Amino acid sequence: AQTVTQSQPEMSVQEAETVTLSCTYDTSESDYYLFWYKQPPSRQMILVIRQEAYKQQNATENRFSVNFQKAAKSFSLKISDSQLGDAAMYFCASPASGTYKYIFGTGTRLKVLA
Amino acid sequence: DTGVSQDPRHKITKRGQNVTFRCDPISEHNRLYWYRQTLGQGPEFLTYFQNEAQLEKSRLLSDRFSAERPKGSFSTLEIQRTEQGDSAMYLCATSGGSTNEKLFFGSGTQLSVL
Repeated sequence: AQTVTQSQPEMSVQEAETVTLSCTYDTSESDYYLFWYKQPPSRQMILVIRQEAYKQQNATENRFSVNFQKAAKSFSLKISDSQLGDAAMYFCASPASGTYKYIFGTGTRLKVLA
Repeated sequence: DTGVSQDPRHKITKRGQNVTFRCDPISEHNRLYWYRQTLGQGPEFLTYFQNEAQLEKSRLLSDRFSAERPKGSFSTLEIQRTEQGDSAMYLCATSGGSTNEKLFFGSGTQLSVL
């Protein structure tokens, strides 16, 4: 079965520092989108950033950026200038080959220390 | 447009009862997904609609679960003869139109089966 792997169940970062959350996937699609979602305690899934796999340029949204390595099937999220409001569960998602669905990783809990 | 809407937010039911959840997508979105999430896990795919057609259904989904999307607008997810193992957050996500493949989630319906 295809999987999305987030190898860090929990990460901590000092406020204003930078943290990187890792994600690997194994889709065999050629053109696809990858996503990072934030889920705060309210459990609302909030889209953080999206990467188009056919674009070599890494996506950036304000303090959030990705390091996309297509050959390695790696899709990490970098959060710069971390803020207390960034504390949440973070999930990455990848399409499953030959299907319509997206597969989610098991998540990384990010703690931001004041 | 206020985003993806789900109703109810919370549902408590007794084992053996039937429950139905509703999802109203962003108006221009033709793709609609249902996911289930238990505490500490990532969302798990249940089913996918493109317009009114149900194109994919998880093999994990028992025949107690059924979903519809009449006229390609809102969708309903029904669970018959609920079991305690059905307790979870049920999430609806939609995409399409001018939002260019971004997947937007509703706030979810938290089901508790007693």
